Amino acid sequence: SQQGEEDPQALSIQEGENATMNCSYKTSINNLQWYRQNSGRGLVHLILIRSNEREKHSGRLRVTLDTSKKSSSLLITASRAADTASYFCATEGTSGSRLTFGEGTQLTVNP
Amino acid sequence: NAGVTQTPKFQVLKTGQSMTLQCAQDMNHNSMYWYRQDPGMGLRLIYYSASEGTTDKGEVPNGYNVSRLNKREFSLRLESAAPSQTSVYFCASNPQGTYEQYFGPGTRLTVT
Repeated sequence: SQQGEEDPQALSIQEGENATMNCSYKTSINNLQWYRQNSGRGLVHLILIRSNEREKHSGRLRVTLDTSKKSSSLLITASRAADTASYFCATEGTSGSRLTFGEGTQLTVNP
Repeated sequence: NAGVTQTPKFQVLKTGQSMTLQCAQDMNHNSMYWYRQDPGMGLRLIYYSASEGTTDKGEVPNGYNVSRLNKREFSLRLESAAPSQTSVYFCASNPQGTYEQYFGPGTRLTVT
C-alpha cells in the first residue's frame, strides 16, 4: 500500500500565485523527499527534509515537516508556467533506504 | 555524464511474450531501483539492488526478474508479459550515503 497520500490531487493556479501541496504518511520516517515529474519524463529530486528538521528552503521552495501529525507540505512561491508538473512526496522509512511514493499532485500554472 | 539511461523508450508486447528492459547509470552509484508507474498509483517499487551482486524484492515483484549485471547496469525482465504489466517503468539510482534518487526517462510498455 502507498505510504504517502497527497492532497490535492490536482491544483490549478495563475502565474505569480503560491502553490501548496500536502503529503501525509503512515509510519516513522528517516526523511521525506519531494520530486517533480514533467509530462512524459522521469522524476527529478527537489528537496529533502530529515525527520529532525521542521522547515527547509531551496530557492522558491519551502518544505515543512510535522512528524507528530505525519504530514509535510511543499510551498512553491511566485509560481511560473514552467512549474507545471506532477509533484510527488516520497518517504524513507526507518528500516531501510527504500522510498515509498505518494500518488502525486498535478499542478497547472496558467500564464 | 548521461546520468541514468533506459532502453527502449517504447515497447508493445503481446500477452505471453518476454522482454528485458535495460538500465545503465554512469554516476558510479551503488544502489539501483526499478519502479512502475500507473495512473493514480504513484510509483511502486518492483525490485532494487543495494550493491553489485545483490537484489531484493520490492512492493510488486510478481511477474518480474532482475539482474544486476555490474555496478552500472540493472535489467528488468518480463518472462511472460500480461496486460496487467502495461505501465511506465522507471529505473533509478543513488550513491551510497545519500538519499536522493536519480531517475531515467522511463520505458512505456503496452501489453495487448
